[in-house]
Amino acid sequence: SQQGEEDPQALSIQEGENATMNCSYKTSINNLQWYRQNSGRGLVHLILIRSNEREKHSGRLRVTLDTSKKSSSLLITASRAADTASYFCATGGSRLTFGEGTQLTVNP
Amino acid sequence: GAGVSQSPRYKVAKRGQDVALRCDPISGHVSLFWYQQALGQGPEFLTYFQNEAQLDKSGLPSDRFFAERPEGSVSTLKIQRTQQEDSAVYLCASSLVQIPLSSYEQYFGPGTRLTVT
Repeated sequence: SQQGEEDPQALSIQEGENATMNCSYKTSINNLQWYRQNSGRGLVHLILIRSNEREKHSGRLRVTLDTSKKSSSLLITASRAADTASYFCATGGSRLTFGEGTQLTVNP
Repeated sequence: GAGVSQSPRYKVAKRGQDVALRCDPISGHVSLFWYQQALGQGPEFLTYFQNEAQLDKSGLPSDRFFAERPEGSVSTLKIQRTQQEDSAVYLCASSLVQIPLSSYEQYFGPGTRLTVT
């Protein structure tokens, strides 16, 4: 069963625009991770944010975490066509529980 | 360096056949995970090894699914008497550290796409 839900399920934007994806989860967590999946490179870890952090940056990625609302968001700034992929949030320790993902399409 | 590799990349099996899927984790990685990903869904946990010990197999959907990692390195996921609902991508991941309650980055392989006809 899926731990959380991502929204939107699909997002289509133009190159250069920002993309925001949201994730909600159900149980208390120690941390939350975001992964990207495309057909070329499989599932790749993007960023991990711990439960005592509210915001984290990595390059063009910005992740926020609101444990009171059990939600997280992933912002990709200045998007590129190469960012086209599915994005998943995941929670858990030894067993990651993934959401259903957001399919992002960045049009050149 | 080499990442996680899986073989075969694609497998077509007739219903009732047994299949074996192989995972070669990153050298030295202690933890190894198997996930099942149905089309359009996120991966779902199947089982977890720490070295050769299978610490969690609660995600295996039935007793037709069996995983092993006898020498603490390569792992094999075996599915007996395959059924159509077993069609999915099977992902293997490895992690450097032992994982108690905290979570560390998992490195995923490209997956094996299993189609049961």
